[in-house]
Amino acid sequence: EAQVTQNPRYLITVTGKKLTVTCSQNMNHEYMSWYRQDPGLGLRQIYYSMNVEVTDKGDVPEGYKVSRKEKRNFPLILESPSPNQTSLYFCASQTLGGSKYEQYFGPGTRLTVT
Amino acid sequence: QQQVKQSPQSLIVQKGGISIINCAYENTAFDYFPWYQQFPGKGPALLIAIRPDVSEKKEGRFTISFNKSAKQFSLHIMDSQPGDSATYFCAASKKKEGYSTLTFGKGTMLLVSP
Repeated sequence: EAQVTQNPRYLITVTGKKLTVTCSQNMNHEYMSWYRQDPGLGLRQIYYSMNVEVTDKGDVPEGYKVSRKEKRNFPLILESPSPNQTSLYFCASQTLGGSKYEQYFGPGTRLTVT
Repeated sequence: QQQVKQSPQSLIVQKGGISIINCAYENTAFDYFPWYQQFPGKGPALLIAIRPDVSEKKEGRFTISFNKSAKQFSLHIMDSQPGDSATYFCAASKKKEGYSTLTFGKGTMLLVSP
């Protein structure tokens, strides 16, 4: 089954404790992206990657890091989480080229930073 | 700068009624306009999409109306059902260096009452 998986699905942590949210896709997509979803603000892009070792900032990159060492994986790293990073996070992937712009989203990771 | 403005924020419709969600965009470089549907606890999923060379696209009970001159597009859900209760995001996309960037509206929470 074609899918994007994220782990963990729920995470409660404390300020300053480094954490990583993993994202993996099995569709051989070149493009992967991280979004955060907050009430009243919709989906905002954090980082994206066009291919292995190619990453770039989205609209709200502050406080986040990413890496793309393998095509299927795109982890999101919070080196020193703060309460304002409490949010619902989504990973998405997309094939490049062609005329279809559909992004496939993972199930989400709900993060609470106390 | 909000490039895609979506309204209303929330909407309550009776079963069998018509749900209408509106979006407006500013950037004339956008060339693809998808709508994503998100159920509670799930990631967004592509519902229907339109390109600016057509004024309307219909898939079952879902129709996108597109007004290029006004830079507006809307989602109409005919014969709305309780199972349609979800958050709907409009988005606009433009191709950039071989991939598309998605800019989302802030979302509309639709509740269809039985």
